[in-house]
Amino acid sequence: ELKVEQNPLFLSMQEGKNYTIYCNYSTTSDRLYWYRQDPGKSLESLFVLLSNGAVKQEGRLMASLDTKARLSTLHITAAVHDLSATYFCAVEAGNGKSTFGDGTTLTVKP
Amino acid sequence: DAGITQSPRHKVTETGTPVTLRCHQTENHRYMYWYRQDPGHGLRLIHYSYGVKDTDKGEVSDGYSVSRSKTEDFLLTLESATSSQTSVYFCAISIDLGSYEQYFGPGTRLTVT
Repeated sequence: ELKVEQNPLFLSMQEGKNYTIYCNYSTTSDRLYWYRQDPGKSLESLFVLLSNGAVKQEGRLMASLDTKARLSTLHITAAVHDLSATYFCAVEAGNGKSTFGDGTTLTVKP
Repeated sequence: DAGITQSPRHKVTETGTPVTLRCHQTENHRYMYWYRQDPGHGLRLIHYSYGVKDTDKGEVSDGYSVSRSKTEDFLLTLESATSSQTSVYFCAISIDLGSYEQYFGPGTRLTVT
């Protein structure tokens, strides 16, 4: 059974600082997704990582995938308040299914 | 906008009553999913579908059934609602163009009293 673990689960950081969210998973997979959820809203897709070594960047967020280590990271550069949200990683489990982590709730403070 | 709607958006029902939630997509994508979201549990897959009349169970399927008689509609039924099924339910689709990236509906908040 595929297990997906995110850490930290809660992150409070100051504007302008850098930080990394980690997503570890338990069985072989070479496809991983990151989603963002604003409070009270639905989820939206951020990044699609489809192979070992994949790196994607959008603004102040950069995601990477190391399938050998079964690890993905979401790096935040010079955080701003608008990045406050909950971030989920999801690992493709086969047959069109994905298993989600529990989410990391990020709060960026001035 | 992947054209996904859910109905109802909010519902309060009593324990023991049947409840059906509807997910509708406008673009005839093959894969559709039902998740529930609870504090501390992220998103958990209830059931999913990979085509008309083709469905399979997820990790938390007990107490839920689904049907997909048309490509565009995926129904989730709680046969006899319990308080433990109070949750926010999200429907999602996957466009299946080289990945299973998912697009989510707006969610249904269900309260079972």
